[in-house]
Amino acid sequence: QLQLQESGPGLVKPSETLSLTCTVSGGAISSSPYYWGWIRQPPGKGLEWIGGIYYTGNNYCNPSLKSRVTLSVDTSKNDFSLRLSSVTAADTAVYYCARLPTYASGSYRFYMDVWGKGTTVTVSS
Amino acid sequence: DIQMTQSPSSLSASVGDRVTITCRASHNIDIYLNWYQQKPGKAPNLLIYGASNLRAGVPSRFSGSGSGTDFTLTISSLLPEDFATYHCQQSYDSLARYTFGQGTKLEIK
Repeated sequence: QLQLQESGPGLVKPSETLSLTCTVSGGAISSSPYYWGWIRQPPGKGLEWIGGIYYTGNNYCNPSLKSRVTLSVDTSKNDFSLRLSSVTAADTAVYYCARLPTYASGSYRFYMDVWGKGTTVTVSS
Repeated sequence: DIQMTQSPSSLSASVGDRVTITCRASHNIDIYLNWYQQKPGKAPNLLIYGASNLRAGVPSRFSGSGSGTDFTLTISSLLPEDFATYHCQQSYDSLARYTFGQGTKLEIK
């Protein structure tokens, strides 16, 4: 059974870089045609899409965060990572990783069918 | 960006009730609409994808419909475990521009 697990510091100082890793178990991250994504949820608020990455490294990021976000993948470790630079208190949230299967062969539209449990990141000095 | 608006934002209902939640897109998104259920302190869980496709293992009391800009999630007869927050999400736009609705909190009356 596929499982995803987020890991990383729970506390980050303002202006520093948030770094999270999502480790995939029970399946290969290089399985086609899945993308792998990051979503966050500020306290008491709704979900916000951050971005998605393919095992080749091809990735797409939310334009509102793009200047600060770096997505990467490590197939040898079967994990993928998120880096968010210059964080502020507004970046305080639960961060989730997820698997994104495509609707149909050849489609470039996806949904999120397997999620990690989430990790809480607080930005504070 | 395509804006997703859910209504109502919160809803009180009783066990056994039939409940409908609406999600409206600011632009035509065809059938590329997904529904997730989220319980407190837990990750979202996919219920329906492609507007009306029930994920394997999800009870048949859940159903989805709609296309274009207007979509609904219906729970035919509420069970205690259904009290949660429900989120819609569009996958029509570029993978960079996926967006979620603000969520609908379903509470016990």
